[in-house]
Amino acid sequence: QVQLVESGGGVVQPGRSLRLSCTASGFIFSRYDMHWVRQAPGKGLEWLAFISYDGSNKYYADSVEGRITMSRDNSENTLYLQMNSLAPEDTAVYYCARDFRWHDAFDFWGQGTMVTVSS
Amino acid sequence: IQLTQSPSFLSASVGDRVTITCRASQDISRSLAWYQQKPGIAPRLLIYTASTLQSGVPSRFSGSGSGTDFTLTLSSLQPEDFATYYCQQLNNYPYSFGQGTKLEI
Repeated sequence: QVQLVESGGGVVQPGRSLRLSCTASGFIFSRYDMHWVRQAPGKGLEWLAFISYDGSNKYYADSVEGRITMSRDNSENTLYLQMNSLAPEDTAVYYCARDFRWHDAFDFWGQGTMVTVSS
Repeated sequence: IQLTQSPSFLSASVGDRVTITCRASQDISRSLAWYQQKPGIAPRLLIYTASTLQSGVPSRFSGSGSGTDFTLTLSSLQPEDFATYYCQQLNNYPYSFGQGTKLEI
């Protein structure tokens, strides 16, 4: 079955960096575009970033562009989100999600990893 | 593209029929999805391409609309349906979500 497992979250000081990972299983990872979405405590969903199946195309939300980099290692079935210059407003649960190929949706989501930015 | 859901909060009872609306700030054709989220759990896909029911989702859920106006309808609420619902546009990057509709008993 399709599984997405995020890791790398935790408590980090403002201004520091963090790299999140999302390990995929149960499907051919290299054939799917992927996304990151976050959700601040008690708030709604915010789309953050996209990467194409081969890593050749990427898009980022305006709110984080320049501070985050999305990448993937298809040989390891792993997705990454590098976040720099973290601020308290980056505190959220971060989800990776699979793009539902040729359909407009995200069909599978990980369980999320919590990032808390605090001194 | 901004998505505005209404209402933001909705109180209903088991067996009720409810409708949630999502309005886009520009034409997004039918590139819209609906998700259900329960506390502490990742969102679950309900509807894609505005009106197609995701596999495994009960038929009491339905979606409609195109262009700028979309609706999610739950025909007969069940206890497990009380959750927060989000619409999402996938017509243009950056993708965006509505602010959510919390459906309460």
